[in-house]
Amino acid sequence: EPEVTQTPSHQVTQMGQEVILRCVPISNHLYFYWYRQILGQKVEFLVSFYNNEISEKSEIFDDQFSVERPDGSNFTLKIRSTKLEDSAMYFCASNGGGYEQYFGPGTRLTVT
Amino acid sequence: GENVEQHPSTLSVQEGDSAVIKCTYSDSASNYFPWYKQELGKGPQLIIDIRSNVGEKKDQRIAVTLNKTAKHFSLHITETQPEDSAVYFCAAFTPSGFQKLVFGTGTRLLVSP
Repeated sequence: EPEVTQTPSHQVTQMGQEVILRCVPISNHLYFYWYRQILGQKVEFLVSFYNNEISEKSEIFDDQFSVERPDGSNFTLKIRSTKLEDSAMYFCASNGGGYEQYFGPGTRLTVT
Repeated sequence: GENVEQHPSTLSVQEGDSAVIKCTYSDSASNYFPWYKQELGKGPQLIIDIRSNVGEKKDQRIAVTLNKTAKHFSLHITETQPEDSAVYFCAAFTPSGFQKLVFGTGTRLLVSP
């Protein structure tokens, strides 16, 4: 069964550093998303991406965040200058055009 | 924007019992309501969903009901097993939100043998 994959599973970085989180959505899916989950809290929408551009973003997704689909298979989230409060699980999801969104296993980002 | 409330936050049952988790949503335009199961250290896994033109959907031991008038939907798990222990999230999708899912706060279900 096809699945969304994410790398790395855990990323530790120092405050102020740039990080790139990587995702490989399900093949042939058209819509891509990033969500985040601070420890013990609910999953929060960050951004949606379709046709090589951002479709919608939340207030969390400020100028420090960017997304890119550098090739036909990868979808990345970049945080330019990490802050302590960016520590969270980051989930990538993809959708093939219907309603269902399928989530990857997540990347745990720890900012020290 | 859409807001989703979920109750209870924790639920403990004995193996074989039924479990019910309830969610309410605020945006009457929401038309798709998935439920996700999240096991420790893993991503949310879609387990069942329901669209606004359907009142109930069942898949083996799990079922979801939707009351559009009251704007609430529920997850029902029958004959619970220890492997059902996880955090369950409800979510709502509003068309105007370009497929953005708004999640509830989660319910930690513990099934004791």
